[in-house]
Amino acid sequence: ETGVTQTPRHLVMGMTNKKSLKCEQHLGHNAMYWYKQSAKKPLELMFVYSLEERVENNSVPSRFSPECPNSSHLFLHLHTLQPEDSALYLCASSQEFGEAYQPQHFGDGTRLSIL
Amino acid sequence: LAKTTQPISMDSYEGQEVNITCSHNNIATNDYITWYQQFPSQGPRFIIQGYKTKVTNEVASLFIPADRKSSTLSLPRVSLSDTAVYYCLVEGRGSTLGRLYFGRGTQLTVWP
Repeated sequence: ETGVTQTPRHLVMGMTNKKSLKCEQHLGHNAMYWYKQSAKKPLELMFVYSLEERVENNSVPSRFSPECPNSSHLFLHLHTLQPEDSALYLCASSQEFGEAYQPQHFGDGTRLSIL
Repeated sequence: LAKTTQPISMDSYEGQEVNITCSHNNIATNDYITWYQQFPSQGPRFIIQGYKTKVTNEVASLFIPADRKSSTLSLPRVSLSDTAVYYCLVEGRGSTLGRLYFGRGTQLTVWP
């Protein structure tokens, strides 16, 4: 148990579908992150939220839309995805963003497959 | 950008000490070095973090030379359950806010 819960664990969708990934943390953390993990690439940071404000967006295509309604919840809205978007999407949280000695706590990810 | 480079894979036997080195030639003054462990179908888990010299906790040691251009994760007396992917992360603090760079990871396989 990591304190960070992601749902669903697995998702299969067509390229025209719209779906959302959910992340929830009950650690009292103020920063939350979305990462993409593909088979042959390094872990890629997608978005960072600090106190519900987006502070980082690493040139992610607009078909990925994050939402952070409060410090405990983070969503990733998906629409019109491409086959190359198939990957493991990981959520993480940390106490603060950019402070000393703040390790990230990761969820176990959502395995996304685009047909 | 503080990119990292680490070996793609390593093999060891139970009971041996394993050292995994990560290169980060462009590390910034305010960057910290963090190592994570990842098992299949799970998210990465924090192992250890350091800024300089040596850090030790109950599972590992981290050695960082004076120039900080590399770091070495040391796992004493590994067991089969240490088989996992190990990631080296250079993480910005303060003025380098938001610079989170994961390496490609090192697949460690421990054999009986």
